[in-house]
Amino acid sequence: KNEVEQSPQNLTAQEGEFITINCSYSVGISALHWLQQHPGGGIVSLFMLSSGKKKHGRLIATINIQEKHSSLHITASHPRDSAVYICAALPRGAAGNKLTFGGGTRVLVKP
Amino acid sequence: KAGVTQTPRYLIKTRGQQVTLSCSPISGHRSVSWYQQTPGQGLQFLFEYFSETQRNKGNFPGRFSGRQFSNSRSEMNVSTLELGDSALYLCASSLGASMYQETQYFGPGTRLLVL
Repeated sequence: KNEVEQSPQNLTAQEGEFITINCSYSVGISALHWLQQHPGGGIVSLFMLSSGKKKHGRLIATINIQEKHSSLHITASHPRDSAVYICAALPRGAAGNKLTFGGGTRVLVKP
Repeated sequence: KAGVTQTPRYLIKTRGQQVTLSCSPISGHRSVSWYQQTPGQGLQFLFEYFSETQRNKGNFPGRFSGRQFSNSRSEMNVSTLELGDSALYLCASSLGASMYQETQYFGPGTRLLVL
C-alpha cells in the first residue's frame, strides 16, 4: 500500500461544477503539498499545508491532521483547470524536500 | 525573475550510456531537488542539494548521482542507462532557508528516452 493515496484517479466535470480531490496518507507528516501538472509536464505548486485551510482564487485546500486526510476543492470549475493534480507529503522527521507523492488525479473539465 | 531552467529538454540515449542533466534554479534559491516521473511509478524523489551538499537522497541505485555548484546550479548524472530510466526528470528550486516547509518552483523537465 502506498503511503500517499489519492482519489479519484480520474474525474470529468462540466464547466461550473464543484470538484473535490482527496488525499490520504498513512504516516505522520509535517507538511502536505498540492501540485498541478499540465499536459507537457510543467508542475506548479498550488498549496503547502500543515494545518487548517488555505484558499487561492477558486482553489481551496484543507487538511485534517488527526484523520490523515487532505482535500483540494475547485469551485466554479473551468476548462483551463484540466490538469493532473498531485498531493505530496513530507513525512514527519524528514527534512528538506524528501516528498512522497500520490498517484495523481486527472481532471477534465468540459465546456 | 527567470524561472527554473533545465537543459536539455529532450534526450535520446542507448542502454549502457551515461547522461548528465542540468538545472539552473531561480536566482537566490539555494535548494535544488530532483524528481523522476514515469507512467508506472509516478513522481519519485531522487535527491536534494543545499549549499553544495546533498541534504536528502531517495531510494535510487548508485547509478544516479548529482552535485551542486557554488552558484546553486545542479547537475544529475545517470550512468549505465537502463530502459527503465526513460522518464521525465524534473528539478525544483526553493529558497532553502527552512528545512521543512517551503514552496518549490519546478522546471519544465528533461524527457529522457533510453533505447
